[in-house]
Amino acid sequence: DTGVSQNPRHKITKRGQNVTFRCDPISEHNRLYWYRQTLGQGPEFLTYFQNEAQLEKSRLLSDRFSAERPKGSFSTLEIQRTEQGDSAMYLCASTGANYGYTFGSGTRLTVV
Amino acid sequence: AQTVTQSQPEMSVQEAETVTLSCTYDTSESDYYLFWYKQPPSRQMILVIRQEAYKQQNATENRFSVNFQKAAKSFSLKISDSQLGDAAMYFCAYSNWWGTGNQFYFGTGTSLTVIP
Repeated sequence: DTGVSQNPRHKITKRGQNVTFRCDPISEHNRLYWYRQTLGQGPEFLTYFQNEAQLEKSRLLSDRFSAERPKGSFSTLEIQRTEQGDSAMYLCASTGANYGYTFGSGTRLTVV
Repeated sequence: AQTVTQSQPEMSVQEAETVTLSCTYDTSESDYYLFWYKQPPSRQMILVIRQEAYKQQNATENRFSVNFQKAAKSFSLKISDSQLGDAAMYFCAYSNWWGTGNQFYFGTGTSLTVIP
């Protein structure tokens, strides 16, 4: 068990470019979550998967955002046509039967 | 909607002393979970302590304990014998585990400084 892994750790992109982040959850965890954390704020829920099914999406997840979890394993979060307001830390978490999240280290996105 | 409020943006404590971080929440549910997470600078969030709402006994984990007041919707974290490694951002979180998605609702955090 290596924990929740997120790649890349940091991403700098130009406004208008597309970016994709990857999250590898703990292998036996069937639920996977994406959160966004801006400076000085707590994490805000974006979306979650149970196995391969995306069961809930926040209103924060605009049409430019898409998330997938093929085969119920790793997940990707893509942001199209990035804007400066997308600059944030994107956190992934997974959970199994216990009542608590295991977080990854996050991907810090900077849009210039 | 559930909300979590942390009214102390910053706190400081002398090493070996005790500090209490405050958290209040709002919910209409009777069954839920409350959590404190620690986020060191540039490092991942880790679970400090968890409290089930149906339990009257306050949770404890070594030097960390909570004061859970369900009627007042208050959930404070007490850190005893503070250590330099306790310096971090602390987030209070709420989850209605039986709700759709069991998403967490986080407060805005309290930055804890430990003074040697």
